[in-house]
Amino acid sequence: TQLLEQSPQFLSIQEGENLTVYCNSSSVFSSLQWYRQEPGEGPVLLVTVVTGGEVKKLKRLTFQFGDARKDSSLHITAAQTGDTGLYLCADQYNFNKFYFGSGTKLNVKP
Amino acid sequence: GAVVSQHPSRVICKSGTSVKIECRSLDFQATTMFWYRQFPKQSLMLMATSNEGSKATYEQGVEKDKFLINHASLTLSTLTVTSAHPEDSSFYICSASPHGTGTEKLFFGSGTQLSVL
Repeated sequence: TQLLEQSPQFLSIQEGENLTVYCNSSSVFSSLQWYRQEPGEGPVLLVTVVTGGEVKKLKRLTFQFGDARKDSSLHITAAQTGDTGLYLCADQYNFNKFYFGSGTKLNVKP
Repeated sequence: GAVVSQHPSRVICKSGTSVKIECRSLDFQATTMFWYRQFPKQSLMLMATSNEGSKATYEQGVEKDKFLINHASLTLSTLTVTSAHPEDSSFYICSASPHGTGTEKLFFGSGTQLSVL
């Protein structure tokens, strides 16, 4: 069984600060996705990365996929209160079947 | 993007009763839907894969007689928590992917918060 570990578990920062969260897998990712989930809601897809070494940017969010495709990072520049939420990485290990990481709970204070 | 509707959003029930949760894909067909369970401040745990027209596939440790899944059409899957107990209290989320498009995108319902008294 694949294990997806995310770090840190919890992160509380001031608005305007930068931050990085990490996702590490016990095996090679098939297809890595990052989601953000707000309390009482379902997760919302942020990005999908497939190729080792791939970097994708989504406004203030930068996603990096490790060369060996076993780790990934999400960097947020100048965090805003709207970035608050649970960040989840996920791997598609079978046709349309996904395992989720342990999650990073981000709180951005005004 | 594709829309997945989940109902109800919140349910409170007495111990011993059964609760049905519906998951609908509103603007696409889904031969496969997924049911997840999430405890407070924790990640999503895959419970089962719901297959249209056939039996659901359950993850290890999930009781199939406890969590009944029915996927009778390409747009609807239901999860019934039978004889619910307080330990079944959790946030249940369904997800689906558009059928036949080759996409790897999962679209999630907004979840159902189940509280068993």
